Amino acid sequence: EVQLVQSGPEVKKPGESLKISCKGSGYSFTSNWIGWVRQMPGKGLEWMGNIYPGDSDTTYSPPFQGHVTISADKSLNTAYLQWSSLKASDTAVYYCARQLVEMALDCWGQGTLVTVSS
Amino acid sequence: SYELTQPPSVSVSPGQTASITCSGDKLGNKFACWYQQKPGQSPVLVIYQDTKRPSGIPERFSGSNSGNTATLTISGTQAMDEADYYCQAWDSNTGVFGTGTKVTVL
Repeated sequence: EVQLVQSGPEVKKPGESLKISCKGSGYSFTSNWIGWVRQMPGKGLEWMGNIYPGDSDTTYSPPFQGHVTISADKSLNTAYLQWSSLKASDTAVYYCARQLVEMALDCWGQGTLVTVSS
Repeated sequence: SYELTQPPSVSVSPGQTASITCSGDKLGNKFACWYQQKPGQSPVLVIYQDTKRPSGIPERFSGSNSGNTATLTISGTQAMDEADYYCQAWDSNTGVFGTGTKVTVL
């Protein structure tokens, strides 16, 4: 069974750093792009960027470029999303998802709730 | 930046057909896909490459894409289909989601 399991909820203060994870199983992790998607409270889905774990090739959506870093460790079958300095506006649920060759996201993680509050 | 626009809400009676549109510049020249998201759950892919259904998705879900509009159609809508639906396409190697549509089954 293809699965993406994300790390647990986080509560952070503004200015703190954070790295959340997404571990894949049940398929060849290095053969598919992994995308990251943000969903702010009560709002829609926003594409953040993606990474190809086979060679760590990464793309970012313009609004997120420079604000987050996407990485992967293929030896651990794990992708990461990190912030160096969180803001209150980063409060959201963050999803990772496997990207098919056909470009759609066919398997999603359970989501990681990140709360940033002083 | 590329934008995809959906109606905020669609209402449908049980057993009837719901149509959800997704509008974007020359969207018909790109592949569109659709996701269903129920409250508190992760999104689920219901249509990809305009018209294809992933394994396990009921036949009542279908899609089309032409001109500037992609459409998700739910035939014989059931109460379990009540959810938010998002279209998605790619522009300049970046994914773009639609604004989302809340489908209410009355």
